[in-house]
Amino acid sequence: DTGVSQDPRHKITKRGQNVTFRCDPISEHNRLYWYRQTLGQGPEFLTYFQNEAQLEKSRLLSDRFSAERPKGSFSTLEIQRTEQGDSAMYLCASSLVITSGSADTQYFGPGTRLTVL
Amino acid sequence: AQSVSQHNHHVILSEAASLELGCNYSYGGTVNLFWYVQYPGQHLQLLLKYFSGDPLVKGIKGFEAEFIKSKFSFNLRKPSVQWSDTAEYFCAVNAIGAGSYQLTFGKGTKLSVIP
Repeated sequence: DTGVSQDPRHKITKRGQNVTFRCDPISEHNRLYWYRQTLGQGPEFLTYFQNEAQLEKSRLLSDRFSAERPKGSFSTLEIQRTEQGDSAMYLCASSLVITSGSADTQYFGPGTRLTVL
Repeated sequence: AQSVSQHNHHVILSEAASLELGCNYSYGGTVNLFWYVQYPGQHLQLLLKYFSGDPLVKGIKGFEAEFIKSKFSFNLRKPSVQWSDTAEYFCAVNAIGAGSYQLTFGKGTKLSVIP
């Protein structure tokens, strides 16, 4: 059983550097979500894709953040000019939706922990 | 915007004690409701979910939750906890009535079970 995988698991970077994270969803899942979790908080939604299309973005997703899912399979989340406030766990989740507009169940990956020095 | 409140930050119980974790949400329209669990060192796992139908839903490992629409609540229960239930529990809401598929999470409740 292959779940959602994320790479890298940990990333330490200096302020001002760019970082990119990768998420591989469960095979054939057509929706992919990104969340951010800081200490003592629950995950907060960033954005989601249905196949290749990015359908919803949170106000948390500033212009320094960009996400892609070019072929409707894996996704990348890039943060440009990182700031110390970007330090968090970045979670990816995927789901399978059969009928557009129907509810889905999201399955989460292990996350990428980002530390910005 | 919808919000989720989990009333207890940290709950400490002895083995065999009963558990109830509170969860209230703010959205007045149609919702899907979830409880996720995060065991130490592991990623978020689905414990149970409610989409429609019977408001009492059963999940894995003997957990259940009851959706009370009039109270905007979805409390998690287990009649007898085990040491292995030590984990952090997150309630999440999907306000599908708003046409959104994102999950809004509570801040989580850390459960410590003493052997």
